[in-house]
Amino acid sequence: NAGVTQTPKFRVLKTGQSMTLLCAQDMNHEYMYWYRQDPGMGLRLIHYSVGEGTTAKGEVPDGYNVSRLKKQNFLLGLESAAPSQTSVYFCASEVTPRGTQYFGPGTRLTVL
Amino acid sequence: GIQVEQSPPDLILQEGANSTLRCNFSDSVNNLQWFHQNPWGQLINLFYIPSGTKQNGRLSATTVATERYSLLYISSSQTTDSGVYFCAVERAGGTSYGKLTFGQGTILTVHP
Repeated sequence: NAGVTQTPKFRVLKTGQSMTLLCAQDMNHEYMYWYRQDPGMGLRLIHYSVGEGTTAKGEVPDGYNVSRLKKQNFLLGLESAAPSQTSVYFCASEVTPRGTQYFGPGTRLTVL
Repeated sequence: GIQVEQSPPDLILQEGANSTLRCNFSDSVNNLQWFHQNPWGQLINLFYIPSGTKQNGRLSATTVATERYSLLYISSSQTTDSGVYFCAVERAGGTSYGKLTFGQGTILTVHP
């Protein structure tokens, strides 16, 4: 039981490049979330999903897209990366929305 | 949106000391969680506590929902308690999707 995993762990992009971050969970959780964490700040919700095939916007969705084609995977895409998207990205999942969110180890993204 | 304020922003302790971290929130909540982010960046859920009191070893938490605050107590602190402690809430009302709003955190440093 690996819990929540994220791929890759580190990535450096140039402005305008695209990439996809993968979050996978093996706990059969319905709810999944993508957050970003900037220095000295708490986490901010980018997008979330309440089940396979569903996605919704969070607090800071601009510049990101997501997909949840399989229950266990939640993908976060950057179509045209900008330096403002330099951050640490965390994925989380939970079985119900009023419970315990389990976090992945994070992806550190730098956009030059 | 809901505002979450944590205090103190920084806390330095000697090993063995006790501490209290506070989280104030600006609206009614149906979800409140405390997290610890260790020095390697991993986020661990400590408590799901929208109201009442819970204890887990040397840690305990109390949420007084009517007065819109929560407290996290750490007793007999250890160097492994170092890191950042986050409070996160979801405003009550409407559909609950686990959309958490995080405070800015309390940075705890425990010296041997």
